[in-house]
Amino acid sequence: QVQLVQSGAEVKKPGASVKVSCKASGYTFTNFGISWVRQAPGQGLEWLGWISAHNGKTNYAEKFQDKISLTTDTSTNTAFLQLRSLRADDTAVYYCARDYPREPSDCFRHWGQGTLISVSS
Amino acid sequence: DIQMTQSPSSLSASVGDRVTITCRASQGLRNYLAWYQQKPGKLPQLLIYAASTLESGVPSRFSGSGSGTDFTLTINGLQPEDVATYYCQKYSVPPTFGQGTRVEIK
Repeated sequence: QVQLVQSGAEVKKPGASVKVSCKASGYTFTNFGISWVRQAPGQGLEWLGWISAHNGKTNYAEKFQDKISLTTDTSTNTAFLQLRSLRADDTAVYYCARDYPREPSDCFRHWGQGTLISVSS
Repeated sequence: DIQMTQSPSSLSASVGDRVTITCRASQGLRNYLAWYQQKPGKLPQLLIYAASTLESGVPSRFSGSGSGTDFTLTINGLQPEDVATYYCQKYSVPPTFGQGTRVEIK
């Protein structure tokens, strides 16, 4: 069965960077893409960006162009979300979700369990 | 970009009631519209895709309808386990979620 397993919670200081991983199993990783979604405490869902595991193409939400970098490692079937210049309002649960390989245009049937990133001085 | 507006932001209904949540797009969509249920402390779960197709395993009391700019999620016969926040999502580029509707039992 499809599984997306994310790395554990982290606490970071303002200005730091963090890298979240999302390891896929149960399907052919390079036949799909990965989208990233975040949810701040008590808030709604917000799409951050997408990466194709097929060719590494990315599509970032305009709001997060300077905040995130998405990469994949096809040798380990893992996608990565790097967040930089962290601020308190980046505190959120970050989810990965399986998506289409050509562009971010699929509904999210499969989700990672979420990674809580807390930013505090 | 197309904006997605859900209404109401919250509602309270009795067990057995019919509940309707609306999602309006700022421009016409194809049917790339999904509905998710998120229970407190849990992952979002896909309920409906392509505006009206029920995801496998989802109870038949959930249904979706609509086209163009106006879409609806209906729960026919609200159950205690349906207490959750519901989100619509357009999944054409860029994917965009509605702000959510919190459903409670009266």
